[in-house]
This record gives sequence, C-alpha cells and structure tokens, in this order.
Amino acid sequence: GAVVSQHPSRVICKSGTSVKIECRSLDFQATTMFWYRQFPKQSLMLMATSNEGSKATYEQGVEKDKFLINHASLTLSTLTVTSAHPEDSSFYICSAREPGQGVHEQYFGPGTRLTVT
Amino acid sequence: QKEVEQNSGPLSVPEGAIASLNCTYSDRVSQSFFWYRQYSGKSPELIMSIYSNGDKEDGRFTAQLNKASQYVSLLIRDSQPSDSATYLCAVDTGRRALTFGSGTRLQVQP
Repeated sequence: GAVVSQHPSRVICKSGTSVKIECRSLDFQATTMFWYRQFPKQSLMLMATSNEGSKATYEQGVEKDKFLINHASLTLSTLTVTSAHPEDSSFYICSAREPGQGVHEQYFGPGTRLTVT
Repeated sequence: QKEVEQNSGPLSVPEGAIASLNCTYSDRVSQSFFWYRQYSGKSPELIMSIYSNGDKEDGRFTAQLNKASQYVSLLIRDSQPSDSATYLCAVDTGRRALTFGSGTRLQVQP
C-alpha cells in the first residue's frame, strides 16, 4: 500500500507556543490529505481536509485560526497548532487517499503525539 | 443514528478461536468498505477492503459484505494475542474522507 510519513513523531511544547506537524505522501501524489485527532481511548475525529493549492475544509467545531493547514505541494501538508494549550495535547494523525479512478484506499501516517505543558 | 456503527467491546476470545467483528452502516449508496487495525498508541493500518457482496479472504482474515442488510463483518481465524487491537470499520460515503466507526476492541486471551 501507499506510504504516508509524519514528522515529528513526538513533540512537547510550552503553552502559548506554536507547533508544526508535517505529513508527506512518499510514493504517490496526494491532492487531498486529511488531519485527524484522537484523544486517549476515544475514536478518530476528522479535523479537516487539506486541499493542494487551495484552502482547507474544516469540520464543524474545529477552529481554523488555531489549526492552520497548508498544502503547498502534491506530497506535503502541514498542520500548525497555534497558541497551544494543554487541552490540545492529543495524537494527531494525517491520512491520504491515492488518486485516480476506482476505489481509493486511505492510508495513515504514523501519527504525532503532542504534549503541551 | 451514527453513519457507521460498531460495538465498542471489548470482545474477548481465546487464542485459536474465531473472532467476529461486526459493523453496520446507514448510507445505502456506499460502495466501498474497509477494515483497519489500530494498536494502542499507533495509527490505523489498513488490513482489508471489500466492494462486492459476499466474502473476501486474505490469510486469516475474511471480510463479509451484505449490502441489502447494510452489514459488513471481519472474521479472524486462529486468533493470536498479537491480534489484540481496536478494529475500525470504514465506509466510503462519497465524501473525500472515509467515514469511520468508533471501533471494536478485541482481546485475544492466551
């Protein structure tokens, strides 16, 4: 299957600072990528859909000014958590679907564990 | 009603038994269905996909789809302790992202 990478795998930051997470599709071009958040023992929550060359589409309840998404190329999307607070501590996972005709399977990156102190 | 429903579990089976995981979905036009496995602290991993009614086998895994009943299941034969994880059912509802169920936690007892 397709490979999606994420960096960093873990990050600890202080409250009020910003953190950038990178998501890359390694063996295919992804015009669309997805950002999820998962709190301990809870299900995946889709935060936003990242669109190459255009604005991201945010799910209801997700603050677009706090979670900045940039999809500047066909293989890279970034999520920046601005003015981070302890309640933003979570597991952030990006995902991408292979383009083209037919069924599009969705592959996940390994995730980034964010801890805000 | 949630779009994709799964029993949260935990489903506990002894080693060597068959584990049966179930999922129902509400959107009749859905055409593609996926099972992901998620170990604690890790991201989901795609293990099976199914698009047609009937069974699809891959090693110890069998996915079953019944579109008339809007039901998809995953059977794991000869369950191993390493199969202990949360299994997520995902459905292509026509949106760009798949729609995920909340997952069923499987525990395989040695």
